[in-house]
Amino acid sequence: GIQVEQSPPDLILQEGANSTLRCNFSDSVNNLQWFHQNPWGQLINLFYIPSGTKQNGRLSATTVATERYSLLYISSSQTTDSGVYFCAVDPGTYKYIFGTGTRLKVLA
Amino acid sequence: GAGVSQSPSNKVTEKGKDVELRCDPISGHTALYWYRQSLGQGLEFLIYFQGNSAPDKSGLPSDRFSAERTGGSVSTLTIQRTQQEDSAVYLCASSPYSLASGETQYFGPGTRLLVL
Repeated sequence: GIQVEQSPPDLILQEGANSTLRCNFSDSVNNLQWFHQNPWGQLINLFYIPSGTKQNGRLSATTVATERYSLLYISSSQTTDSGVYFCAVDPGTYKYIFGTGTRLKVLA
Repeated sequence: GAGVSQSPSNKVTEKGKDVELRCDPISGHTALYWYRQSLGQGLEFLIYFQGNSAPDKSGLPSDRFSAERTGGSVSTLTIQRTQQEDSAVYLCASSPYSLASGETQYFGPGTRLLVL
């Protein structure tokens, strides 16, 4: 089955720094989503991005489907950005396959 | 408006008992999703409903797990003969139309299940 890998597994940033999170997948996908889980467990769907680039405030995402990777950019990080970032892909089988996540901690 | 709600919020059960977890999606949302997150682990996709139908049930971990959705609204996830490895947070999400449309999913707070 399709494999989804995320890097780095852990990341510590000083508030105000920028970061890039990566998601690699091993086969073609119908869609790709990025999620954020805050330290209290609440999940938020950030982006639906099977290809191209999207931006939402300080966050943006780019997926290069032909090269099977997606990047999530966080600019001017804030402590509220802390948590775990997951990417998930839909290979067209009515299910999502999740990566193992990147755990981000932003220090004040 | 009301978000996705799940009940119970916490459930402690003994090994071998059956449990039923409930999800109330946002009113009018056609698509409904169940996920599982074991302690300190990542997310695992369980099942997706389009209306009352689940096109693919292969994500359910074993035949002890079943899920149904009635009236295009409430969904229940049933675990029979619970095992300790079933202990996890079970999350439900809904979205307006379908998985394929890539729209935003809205998550409930989860049900924390502990099997002793």
